[in-house]
Amino acid sequence: AQSVTQLGSHVSVSEGALVLLRCNYSSSVPPYLFWYVQYPNQGLQLLLKYTTGATLVKGINGFEAEFKKSETSFHLTKPSAHMSDAAEYFCAVSDSSGTALIFGKGTTLSVSS
Amino acid sequence: NAGVTQTPKFRILKIGQSMTLQCTQDMNHNYMYWYRQDPGMGLKLIYYSVGAGITDKGEVPNGYNVSRSTTEDFPLRLELAAPSQTSVYFCATRPSWNTEAFFGQGTRLTVV
Repeated sequence: AQSVTQLGSHVSVSEGALVLLRCNYSSSVPPYLFWYVQYPNQGLQLLLKYTTGATLVKGINGFEAEFKKSETSFHLTKPSAHMSDAAEYFCAVSDSSGTALIFGKGTTLSVSS
Repeated sequence: NAGVTQTPKFRILKIGQSMTLQCTQDMNHNYMYWYRQDPGMGLKLIYYSVGAGITDKGEVPNGYNVSRSTTEDFPLRLELAAPSQTSVYFCATRPSWNTEAFFGQGTRLTVV
């Protein structure tokens, strides 16, 4: 069965600093990986996804993530944080062994000026 | 296109009452899901469906029921509301198991 672990329930950065949100997955078959963002009192919005092909994936709002099979990781990064990036971020995994999309517990990103 | 529409947006229930959370999609997606979101716990899967007439339990199905009579609709039923069901509920859809999911705006339910 698939599972997702997000290290760090809360990450704080200064505006302009590097953002790194960690995600490790468990899957017995090739995974499909996703990062979602949730702003307060809203639904989840897709940031980026890895399906097959290039392991470095670029998403919206300057975010990117790299799929590393050897490390079973899919960490999310952004070179320079903006105040508007403050939100909750979720990593999710899906694979052919099941039909569900499984989410991690989320990481809240705070950005200070 | 409206995408995924959830109703109501907010609801307060008394213990023991029942209600149905509605979810409708106009994207003709086969896969539909119900999640609940609790602070610090992420999203937990309640039930899902891979097509009309087919439903299956997720991680936390107790106290809930679903049906899928059409491709568009996937209602979630709470029969005897309990305080532990206080949560934010999200409906999501996707075309296939290897694609991203599209979410509704959520229903915030409080059971008192």
